Amino acid sequence: NAGVTQTPKFRILKIGQSMTLQCAQDMNHNYMYWYRQDPGMGLKLIYYSVGAGITDKGEVPNGYNVSRSTTEDFPLRLELAAPSQTSVYFCASSYSSVDTQYFGPGTRLTVL
Amino acid sequence: QKEVEQDPGPLSVPEGAIVSLNCTYSNSAFQYFMWYRQYSRKGPELLMYTYSSGNKEDGRFTAQVDKSSKYISLFIRDSQPSDSATYLCAMKEGGKLIFGQGTELSVKP
Repeated sequence: NAGVTQTPKFRILKIGQSMTLQCAQDMNHNYMYWYRQDPGMGLKLIYYSVGAGITDKGEVPNGYNVSRSTTEDFPLRLELAAPSQTSVYFCASSYSSVDTQYFGPGTRLTVL
Repeated sequence: QKEVEQDPGPLSVPEGAIVSLNCTYSNSAFQYFMWYRQYSRKGPELLMYTYSSGNKEDGRFTAQVDKSSKYISLFIRDSQPSDSATYLCAMKEGGKLIFGQGTELSVKP
């Protein structure tokens, strides 16, 4: 039981490049979330999903896209990377909306 | 005004001290209150989970919620160097968590 896994751990992008951050969970959780964490700013919700095929925007969705084709996977897509997207990205999952959210180890992204 | 306010610190204390970490919030609809601990370069992990007002104790950790004052606290007794981390308060709105900025704590031997 690996919990929530994220790849890659680190990435450097040039302005305008695209990439997909991968997230997978093996706990059969229905809910999955993407957060970004900037220094001294806590975590901000980007997108979340309540089940396969269902996604919704969080607090800071601009510049990102998501899809959820399976229960296990919830990739986050950056289409045109900008320096403002330099951050640490965390994926989380929970069984329901009132259950504990379990976090992955994070992806550190730098856009230059 | 941010929905959840937390002093970012840093907070430095000697080993064995009692630590008090606090958050204030503005949304009276919050019912679930959490404290997460985040070690450097790691993901947050749930430390304490409280529903509505009152106290909850777990070993050296005590979480308090005062809904009338919109104020929550985390107390750490007999603090250890291994408690050095960033502590994030979080509150639940529907299925979403609203986080404070996090307080960086350093416990010196």
